[in-house]
Amino acid sequence: AQKITQTQPGMFVQEKEAVTLDCTYDTSDQSYGLFWYKQPSSGEMIFLIYQGSYDEQNATEGRYSLNFQKARKSANLVISASQLGDSAMYFCAMRLMNYGGSQGNLIFGKGTKLSVKP
Amino acid sequence: NAGVTQTPKFQVLKTGQSMTLQCAQDMNHEYMSWYRQDPGMGLRLIHYSVGAGITDQGEVPNGYNVSRSTTEDFPLRLLSAAPSQTSVYFCASSYPQGKTQYFGPGTRLTVL
Repeated sequence: AQKITQTQPGMFVQEKEAVTLDCTYDTSDQSYGLFWYKQPSSGEMIFLIYQGSYDEQNATEGRYSLNFQKARKSANLVISASQLGDSAMYFCAMRLMNYGGSQGNLIFGKGTKLSVKP
Repeated sequence: NAGVTQTPKFQVLKTGQSMTLQCAQDMNHEYMSWYRQDPGMGLRLIHYSVGAGITDQGEVPNGYNVSRSTTEDFPLRLLSAAPSQTSVYFCASSYPQGKTQYFGPGTRLTVL
C-alpha cells in the first residue's frame, strides 16, 4: 500500500529565509507522481508543484522547489525567501501513474503547518 | 472556466437528516473524486469516478453515496447524517494521468 509521511506537524521560519518541509513516501511502483498543495486559513487547496518519478531534474515553480531523492523516497518542498503569505498548511501527496481506479487518486500526508514570523 | 465548484459552502444538519453536496467541473475531466478533511488526518478519499456512469469506493465510503450521470457533475449524498460526518468535504477533478488535480473550494459540514 502507498503511504505519505510528513513528520513535522508545525514549523516556524523567519521572513525572507528559506525553509524545507519534509515528505517521505512509500510505494513499490516505479511510475508515480508527487505533489505539494498549500492550504491557507481560508481553506482552499492550492496546487504548488509536481514531480514525476522519472523526471531527472528537480521540479521548480517560482520560489518553490522539490528536492526529489528517489533512493531515499523523499520529496521535500523547499520554499525560498519566505513571505508572510506563505503561512499555511502544506500537504504532500502521491499518485500512481500507471493505474486507473482508486490507485489513480491522490494519497495525502497529514500536513505541516508553516508559520512565517516577521 | 469556473473550474471546480461546490455548493453549499456551509451546512448544518441534524443527526438522521439527508442531504446532497453538489460538485461540478467545466474542464471535461474524466476523473472526479470526493475527499473529506478532518483535523490531523489530511485528506481521505470517499468515492471517485473515472467517467460518466462509473463510480467506486475510496478509503472511507460508509454513509455516502455517489452517482455520475454526466461528465460535469458528481454529487455526494449523505443518507442519514451522523456527527462522525462533521468534516470539510472537497471535490476534485483531473485527467486520468494528470499532473494536477483541481480542487473545489470545499463544503464545511456540521452534524449536530
